[in-house]
Amino acid sequence: KAGVTQTPRYLIKTRGQQVTLSCSPISGHRSVSWYQQTPGQGLQFLFEYFSETQRNKGNFPGRFSGRQFSNSRSEMNVSTLELGDSALYLCASSLTYGAGGDSPLHFGNGTRLTVT
Amino acid sequence: DAKTTQPNSMESNEEEPVHLPCNHSTISGTDYIHWYRQLPSQGPEYVIHGLTSNVNNRMASLAIAEDRKSSTLILHRATLRDAAVYYCILRDRSGGSNYKLTFGKGTLLTVNP
Repeated sequence: KAGVTQTPRYLIKTRGQQVTLSCSPISGHRSVSWYQQTPGQGLQFLFEYFSETQRNKGNFPGRFSGRQFSNSRSEMNVSTLELGDSALYLCASSLTYGAGGDSPLHFGNGTRLTVT
Repeated sequence: DAKTTQPNSMESNEEEPVHLPCNHSTISGTDYIHWYRQLPSQGPEYVIHGLTSNVNNRMASLAIAEDRKSSTLILHRATLRDAAVYYCILRDRSGGSNYKLTFGKGTLLTVNP
């Protein structure tokens, strides 16, 4: 069974640009969550989608947005990039939403975004 | 919201058992205890989770205290590939209508050959 796939693996962008990251969940998983990981802040929750609807959102500015398609694949978009957006962006899928219950998260290996 | 406390770091020798502790004194009755680990340059990897009873899988065992205020992840025979940051997590409902997992600093496990 294929795991969670994130593309691209690495990305370099310039301040002010926008970026779109992609995530393909494990087959049969309908929930996709996004996390940002930086050395200073650790893993921080961005948002969660289930059945094409955003179910929960973390404390990030509106420049961070996402969407989920009918096949459960998800994309995350960051507009007007800032230097501080440089991070590892991780996607995780699970069978149901509301992580932390009896449905564990399965993470991809992330997209490393560098903003110059 | 329930929080967890873990040691910052632990050290073990290869092929010896490792017991990674976690305190979660404010856990609620319906919260599962989840463990994940993260190797360098990789996403977190699910290890195990449980509610009340002890749990075993091919990677590890989870021992949950009777009052559920603490738990221990047990790696029966540590290998060099087990060197990672281990996160003990309960779900967090702050700021949203649904649960999410909030990752703390975790325990950095070093395995000596």
